[in-house]
Amino acid sequence: DTEVTQTPKHLVMGMTNKKSLKCEQHMGHRAMYWYKQKAKKPPELMFVYSYEKLSINESVPSRFSPECPNSSLLNLHLHALQPEDSALYLCASSQGVKGMETQYFGPGTRLLVL
Amino acid sequence: AQSVSQHNHHVILSEAASLELGCNYSYGGTVNLFWYVQYPGQHLQLLLKYFSGDPLVKGIKGFEAEFIKSKFSFNLRKPSVQWSDTAEYFCAGQGSGYSTLTFGKGTMLLVSP
Repeated sequence: DTEVTQTPKHLVMGMTNKKSLKCEQHMGHRAMYWYKQKAKKPPELMFVYSYEKLSINESVPSRFSPECPNSSLLNLHLHALQPEDSALYLCASSQGVKGMETQYFGPGTRLLVL
Repeated sequence: AQSVSQHNHHVILSEAASLELGCNYSYGGTVNLFWYVQYPGQHLQLLLKYFSGDPLVKGIKGFEAEFIKSKFSFNLRKPSVQWSDTAEYFCAGQGSGYSTLTFGKGTMLLVSP
């Protein structure tokens, strides 16, 4: 089973709202990732968690706040977003972060910020 | 700096035509390479990967790719495309000792029936 699940599938929020995106995997992977993908562009890495600790933050604005409650779950908390943050947010996981790692992607959450 | 480049942004083919999508990489050391496909409205799916060994890698759905170190290339091929292959194709590289991916800009393949 190489499934990564994400909820919700779609999300519309105002610039003053607070919302959260959720990601879950049951493959026993110890690394999880958040990506942002704009239309017709490749995914851009936002955060990497390794063994439930944040290991990479690609200079993402603080209005995006990741959280890894346990090895299977990854959240992305959203607050005071801007319309330009509208995008597809992808979660991925891999066994580890040491290289020769295949990342498996979830279906994404399509976010629209009004 | 690490980079992955894909030559074509858009490719249009008729069904049964042969496909080759270009991918070149620039890495300082050992590199792992991947091809992902994103069907319309769907998530990224792994087509195939190269870590080491046989440079000709076979993936799902009849795709294959060849790692040519001297040309810094990892081109994706399929002998006969189908309408259902219409999708965006991303080449990605991964440096030795790291799991993070560097994606190319993607190639949109449109197969007409």
